[in-house]
Amino acid sequence: DAKTTQPPSMDCAEGRAANLPCNHSTISGNEYVYWYRQIHSQGPQYIIHGLKNNETNEMASLIITEDRKSSTLILPHATLRDTAVYYCIVSLNAGKSTFGDGTTLTVKP
Amino acid sequence: GAGVSQSPRYKVAKRGQDVALRCDPISGHVSLFWYQQALGQGPEFLTYFQNEAQLDKSGLPSDRFFAERPEGSVSTLKIQRTQQEDSAVYLCASSPLDRGDNEQFFGPGTRLTVL
Repeated sequence: DAKTTQPPSMDCAEGRAANLPCNHSTISGNEYVYWYRQIHSQGPQYIIHGLKNNETNEMASLIITEDRKSSTLILPHATLRDTAVYYCIVSLNAGKSTFGDGTTLTVKP
Repeated sequence: GAGVSQSPRYKVAKRGQDVALRCDPISGHVSLFWYQQALGQGPEFLTYFQNEAQLDKSGLPSDRFFAERPEGSVSTLKIQRTQQEDSAVYLCASSPLDRGDNEQFFGPGTRLTVL
């Protein structure tokens, strides 16, 4: 699986959009980009995933660059409950996934 | 519906003891994963099952770690002769299919403390 690089921490004001970047320059053509988040003392929670096209669901939007070497997770209206560690993962198959250390997002009132 | 459950939620073991951690995946899920998460770090892959077959155990840190899923549903992660460095949260996840386009559903984890 390709390696990902994320900033260790970010802040966001409540009600504003949170944009979390991820670099995955060694991604291969058939690897998916996944985002999960982990709130303290809980298991990771799936947010969204994509292959080539941008994706949107009720939680977030995923923007993948045309060359697929980076992506951005967008939380359109961040709330205090969105404070968590966000993990970007690239995964080829149903097996091993490498999480890395993620980005700690702190949403501030 | 019921999610992934893990038991016990907390386990304290003396160094040298054997422990067994249980994972009940979502019913019907084909794939099952175990991860180890040290304090302040992201989850690290341990092993992966597709039904009862253990397809990848490359992340198991030593031969003291053993995982099984004999009937393709419940899984047990066993750690023999526990050491202090085994202290971590052990996460289990399941997913419905065995392909790449496939989210994982995580349990709450078992926090193991080895004294």
